[in-house]
Amino acid sequence: DAGVIQSPRHEVTEMGQEVTLRCKPISGHNSLFWYRQTMMRGLELLIYFNNNVPIDDSGMPEDRFSAKMPNASFSTLKIQPSEPRDSAVYFCASSFRGGSNQPQHFGDGTRLSIL
Amino acid sequence: KNEVEQSPQNLTAQEGEFITINCSYSVGISALHWLQQHPGGGIVSLFMLSSGKKKHGRLIATINIQEKHSSLHITASHPRDSAVYICAVLIGGATNKLIFGTGTLLAVQP
Repeated sequence: DAGVIQSPRHEVTEMGQEVTLRCKPISGHNSLFWYRQTMMRGLELLIYFNNNVPIDDSGMPEDRFSAKMPNASFSTLKIQPSEPRDSAVYFCASSFRGGSNQPQHFGDGTRLSIL
Repeated sequence: KNEVEQSPQNLTAQEGEFITINCSYSVGISALHWLQQHPGGGIVSLFMLSSGKKKHGRLIATINIQEKHSSLHITASHPRDSAVYICAVLIGGATNKLIFGTGTLLAVQP
């Protein structure tokens, strides 16, 4: 089992640039989550999808952030334009949402630094 | 007030000690996760529980739904247990949303 795969692992870019983070969930999982982790705020849910449909995007900070899930095996989180305060570790997680609760499996995260 | 509160925030223990980390929550939940994160590392789900107790090796997790409280215990602690332990609750109902505690930083000294 390959686990949740995120890319890139690290990203350093200048403010104003577009940043795209990628996630491949575990095969067969139908829920996908994007989280952000900072020292100040800890882990926060940004958005999650069930069966490729966005269910709750109330955690998305502002219009500069957007997320898509074009199919069951791929999702992107895009920041345009990026700002230094977006620097954080971004985690993707997936789970199977069925009749009973199933644990979420996390990727290794993308460490993003905006200069 | 945070919906999920953990205590202590920081914990230093000597190798071999019994460790307890506590989590209290104020919302209705369908399940609770205990997560482990090593410095600079990814997040691993240790337990997901909705009642009673679960045990895996030296780790034990308990939950009391009526009191809205969970504990994570580590027996015979070891330096490799040093990590941040995060409690996260799965909100009940149709949503599949996790709300996280702020984490407990554990350092086990040899």
